[in-house]
Amino acid sequence: AQSVTQLGSHVSVSEGALVLLRCNYSSSVPPYLFWYVQYPNQGLQLLLKYTSAATLVKGINGFEAEFKKSETSFHLTKPSAHMRDAAEYFCAVTRGGADGLTFGKGTHLIIQP
Amino acid sequence: GAVVSQHPSRVICKSGTSVKIECRSLDFQATTMFWYRQFPKKSLMLMATSNEGSKATYEQGVEKDKFLINHASLTLSTLTVTSAHPEDSSFYICSARDPLAGGAETQYFGPGTRLLVL
Repeated sequence: AQSVTQLGSHVSVSEGALVLLRCNYSSSVPPYLFWYVQYPNQGLQLLLKYTSAATLVKGINGFEAEFKKSETSFHLTKPSAHMRDAAEYFCAVTRGGADGLTFGKGTHLIIQP
Repeated sequence: GAVVSQHPSRVICKSGTSVKIECRSLDFQATTMFWYRQFPKKSLMLMATSNEGSKATYEQGVEKDKFLINHASLTLSTLTVTSAHPEDSSFYICSARDPLAGGAETQYFGPGTRLLVL
């Protein structure tokens, strides 16, 4: 079985500040890990993914995440927050193949002006 | 590339009626599609895996007779909510895998369908 834990249902940062969204996973096999962003009343947009290549993954909109097997973590970061980054962020894991995604509960990112 | 559409984007229906939601992969062939349900301010829960030409695989606790899934072609999967009730009101999102782009493990999501049952 797989699971994802996102620490902090809400994270608030000032515009221009560092963004750090935490994700820890549990998987019985080497996982594929994803971060998705969701804007209100919209579907999910893929930010980045880890597929066992480089442990530091760069995504769209200036986001990146580092896979740390020893810590079973895949935290999402962005050096400088922008107002347009305000959204819901989901971390997800899958074994691949025909398996669906297991999502964390999401973190609502708030950007303070 | 890898665009997934859903139709309708929003639907309101009366209790007891059935509602069909379509999920299409617009620029790729998807042998596997997935249906998720998202409750307000909650995460997404996988409902079922839809495989072209075969029966869908449902997650534990999802009523297959209530949520009928058909994957008749490589670009279309449909979810029919039968005899809908107010507790079926939710945001339904589909996704599809494009094995030729982005890796077989990557899922691309549709924009979602908001269902409100009165």
